[in-house]
Amino acid sequence: EVQLLESGGGLVQPGGSLRLSCAASGFTFSSHPMNWVRQAPGKGLEWVSAITDSDTNTYYADSVKGRFTISRDNSKNMLFLQMNNLRAEDTAVYYCAKAKESQLLAFGPWGQGTLVTVSS
Amino acid sequence: DIQMTQSPSSLSASVGDRVTITCRASQSISNSLNWHQHRPGTAPKLLIYSASILESGVPSRFSGSGSGTEFTLTISGLQPEDFATYYCQQGYSVPPGFGQGTKLEIK
Repeated sequence: EVQLLESGGGLVQPGGSLRLSCAASGFTFSSHPMNWVRQAPGKGLEWVSAITDSDTNTYYADSVKGRFTISRDNSKNMLFLQMNNLRAEDTAVYYCAKAKESQLLAFGPWGQGTLVTVSS
Repeated sequence: DIQMTQSPSSLSASVGDRVTITCRASQSISNSLNWHQHRPGTAPKLLIYSASILESGVPSRFSGSGSGTEFTLTISGLQPEDFATYYCQQGYSVPPGFGQGTKLEIK
């Protein structure tokens, strides 16, 4: 069974940093692209970032480009999202999602999410 | 960026009903359209990918169709656990935008 467990969320002040982690199990992690998607309070789903299976390529939403960095450790089945210079509008539940092999943008299953709150 | 528009934004139906949700893309996305279900407080769930392929483990009462710019998600014989918010999502190009969601409520 595929399992994705996010961690690292919390309360941070504007301008601060957080590093989210996603522990993956139940599938061959190194064969699948991975994504981060977020949902702000009362809003819909917003894609944040993607990374190819071999870590060759990374992609970002314009809203986070230059501030967030996605990475992965295939030896440890881990996905990361380094978030710097956080803003109030980054407040959201952040989900990691497994993509289908060779389909970067077809994602599912998803993790349960981790809440990031940016506030002073 | 490709814009995704869903309709309706909310829908009221009864257990056993058949419902259809429509999703339109601002330009052709071939069959690169995915549908996700999201219940509050839970992980979103992929239902259908590539417009019409049912994800493993998803009940057959869910079906998807369409290509190009217009797509539909149909649920035949609503069950209590189906009351949730449904999102379409284009998988054709980065950024993979979502529709605004359709909230399916019990009548």
